[in-house]
Amino acid sequence: EVQLVESGGGLVQPGGSLRLSCAASGFTFSNNWMSWVRQAPGKGLQWVANIKQDGSEKYYVESVKGRFSISRDNAKNSLYLEMNSLRDEDTAVYYCATMSTSSYGFDIWGQGTMVTVSP
Amino acid sequence: DIQMTQSPSTLSASVGDTVIITCRASQSVKTWLAWYQQRPGKAPKLLIYKASTLESGVPSRFSGSGSGTEFTLTISSLQPDDFATYYCQQYNSYSGFTFGPGTRVDIK
Repeated sequence: EVQLVESGGGLVQPGGSLRLSCAASGFTFSNNWMSWVRQAPGKGLQWVANIKQDGSEKYYVESVKGRFSISRDNAKNSLYLEMNSLRDEDTAVYYCATMSTSSYGFDIWGQGTMVTVSP
Repeated sequence: DIQMTQSPSTLSASVGDTVIITCRASQSVKTWLAWYQQRPGKAPKLLIYKASTLESGVPSRFSGSGSGTEFTLTISSLQPDDFATYYCQQYNSYSGFTFGPGTRVDIK
């Protein structure tokens, strides 16, 4: 079964840090660009970051540049998002997803992990 | 940055109706446009990519059209499972990925 499972979410104070993980199974992880997409409570979707198959290219939405870092470990079929200097507005469900290079759409999604930034 | 708008923001319809959702981009995205369905508490699901290509396994009552700055998602013969929120999403090599604000399809 094709699956992405996120973990690592929780409650963190403003200015704090958190590391999210995403475990992939059922497909060849190392063949895929991977992404993080977030959704604030009651709001729409926002793309956060992308990473190329070999980790050599990384892209971020402007609002997280310099604070978030995307990485991957193909040997462990895992994707990560290191989040520093967290702000209230980073509160959201964070989804990992595969990104198709033939369509530039996100075709496999995890169930999401909630990050709450609050004093 | 490319901005995406969707209309309407909410739509009330009945089972069996045909529903049309419009998505507009602030500048041309050619056909790099995808549509997603999201049910409450669930992850989004890819329905259509490259403006009009149906994702594998998605029912044929879903269809997409358009290019440039104006796109539509049509759901023919609405089914109970189709009551959800729908998002469009564009890709541009300079600004990355942007989603529309969503259209909620409610039961009339």
